[in-house]
Amino acid sequence: EIVLTQSPGTLSLSPGERATLSCRASQNVSSSYLAWYQQKPGQAPRLLIYGASSRATGIPDRFSGSGSGTDFTLTISRLEPEDFAVYYCQQYGSSLITFGQGTRLEIK
Amino acid sequence: QVQLVQSGAEVKKPGSSVKVSCKASGGTFSSYTISWVRQAPGQGLEWMGRIIPIIGIANYAQKFQGRVTITADKSTSTAYMELSSLRSEDTAVYYCARTVVVVASMDVWGQGTTVTVSS
Repeated sequence: EIVLTQSPGTLSLSPGERATLSCRASQNVSSSYLAWYQQKPGQAPRLLIYGASSRATGIPDRFSGSGSGTDFTLTISRLEPEDFAVYYCQQYGSSLITFGQGTRLEIK
Repeated sequence: QVQLVQSGAEVKKPGSSVKVSCKASGGTFSSYTISWVRQAPGQGLEWMGRIIPIIGIANYAQKFQGRVTITADKSTSTAYMELSSLRSEDTAVYYCARTVVVVASMDVWGQGTTVTVSS
């Protein structure tokens, strides 16, 4: 089973700043199978990025994904108030899916 | 626009089983798989397993092997997740999610079903 480790656990930033979230895998992950989600309290997760770098339908272009192999990054170029939430990475490999433990993005 | 509508909240006794449903509204399961993901209070997301509805084949996370069964009824576009031998640690919100096969990402989520296990 591939383990995903996200860092930092909590990120404190101000609106307008740039956020960089990391997701590191214990083994190589196909870029086709790396996704990012946003979750707000009391809501289901929302797909942001699939295939490591493709934005899902309706996702603003301030969200971008990059990376390959074992290191992947979600970048939010300029934080809006509604972006403060928890973010998860997710991978698929050998018919199994795993999630990272999440990064909480909080207002500084 | 497909929506996934899940069954309502459940309260169960330890040792019993729970079965949660997930119905596709406004579309069908064709070309997708359905995953089940749970989230314990204050915790992260945990994938439990998935099913390919058109052929009825499911696979499960090792942690839940032998205790979870995922099925699907193509005629009603409904998927089911049954978890047995419930314990207090199974108290969580359970989500179904449509999983796009070619990229294995979950683009449509159900609203979640709260399962509480308590004596």
